[in-house]
Amino acid sequence: KAGVTQTPRYLIKTRGQQVTLSCSPISGHRSVSWYQQTPGQGLQFLFEYFSETQRNKGNFPGRFSGRQFSNSRSEMNVSTLELGDSALYLCASSGQGGSTDTQYFGPGTRLTVL
Amino acid sequence: AQKVTQAQTEISVVEKEDVTLDCVYETRDTTYYLFWYKQPPSGELVFLIRRNSFDEQNEISGRYSWNFQKSTSSFNFTITASQVVDSAVYFCALTHILTGGGNKLTFGTGTQLKVEL
Repeated sequence: KAGVTQTPRYLIKTRGQQVTLSCSPISGHRSVSWYQQTPGQGLQFLFEYFSETQRNKGNFPGRFSGRQFSNSRSEMNVSTLELGDSALYLCASSGQGGSTDTQYFGPGTRLTVL
Repeated sequence: AQKVTQAQTEISVVEKEDVTLDCVYETRDTTYYLFWYKQPPSGELVFLIRRNSFDEQNEISGRYSWNFQKSTSSFNFTITASQVVDSAVYFCALTHILTGGGNKLTFGTGTQLKVEL
């Protein structure tokens, strides 16, 4: 089975722009979660999508949003980029969205905001 | 609130040495899961092991072993006969099972392991 894929792998944007990141989960997985990793804050939960609905959300401003499509692929959008948004954004998928499912991660998208 | 503490920021060992990575957690949940992930320089978090709160049996997988002790809220990870390919950042994580379904992971700050020849 192919693993979680994320595109693009690297992005460079300037302050004020917006960006969209994409994640394709493991085939058959229906839950997709997003995490932000920075040197200062570590790994932090952004949100989780299941059955095309945002089911859970972390403590991030509304500039961070996402969606999930009927094939379980997910996109994450960040609007009005700030320097502090520079990070590795990791997507994880887990089976049927059960509360105890293991999350499997993709390679991440490294976003640099100039 | 949940918390995972990995007090060791960086560990350096010589190849073939054994090394233990420490993880201490805090949670008020009675049901929870603990994980270890490996993050090589490429960035991907690689799943290593999952343990539930009701199973304190230690586990061994090849050169890897894990010691879960509920009494001390610890879930330590030992690599026996370390190899250069083990060099990576290792994260301990704890689930929080959400009332609406799904779960989110709370991660420790990671331990950078460097294995040198």
